[in-house]
Amino acid sequence: GAGVSQSPRYKVTKRGQDVTLRCDPISSHATLYWYQQALGQGPEFLTYFNYEAQPDKSGLPSDRFSAERPEGSISTLTIQRTEQRDSAMYRCASSQDRQETQYFGPGTRLLVL
Amino acid sequence: DQQVKQNSPSLSVQEGRISILNCDYTNSMFDYFLWYKKYPAEGPTFLISISSIKDKNEDGRFTVFLNKSAKHLSLHIVPSQPGDSAVYFCAAKGDSNYQLIWGAGTKLIIKP
Repeated sequence: GAGVSQSPRYKVTKRGQDVTLRCDPISSHATLYWYQQALGQGPEFLTYFNYEAQPDKSGLPSDRFSAERPEGSISTLTIQRTEQRDSAMYRCASSQDRQETQYFGPGTRLLVL
Repeated sequence: DQQVKQNSPSLSVQEGRISILNCDYTNSMFDYFLWYKKYPAEGPTFLISISSIKDKNEDGRFTVFLNKSAKHLSLHIVPSQPGDSAVYFCAAKGDSNYQLIWGAGTKLIIKP
């Protein structure tokens, strides 16, 4: 695609529910990143993929968080048993390879009630 | 412990004047620095970058200066235009590290 897209743009859920966020990167980009951004802060790294491989998931806050990119293109971020502290903007970015400039999607704003 | 700090949450500048946004970092292993610009309801977009082997990089109205000894970089916008009003994020990474470490951002307001 022309740019990175994310869906949904907004998600409101109740505590304890599972949510899945989707990222569609720029089609030629090998590398895909997930970030979590709290209000008034910069993005914080969660995990990244190089094609379908996930070399680093050290930024995932707990085992309730998981991400997939099974075919090396679209990726999903799943949060199980959501908690209020999970409320944040979740940003996806992609780059041609991991050394190159990262291009960001518009983000998904998650609110856990 | 914030490794990248943007100490000014906001900055207001008259149109046509120079805007200077500042960023400090603590990790001496950082060797590549980027500025991103973000409009409301959009993702950050890449603006300009600088490698640690340089002390200045210029692109049109935008210039980034790097002072390695002070672990400080700044973004200069000259002349400032209304469309420059946005949040500016400073980010850093090591050459072998794909992770970007971000500052909290500075909201720039250009007054007409």
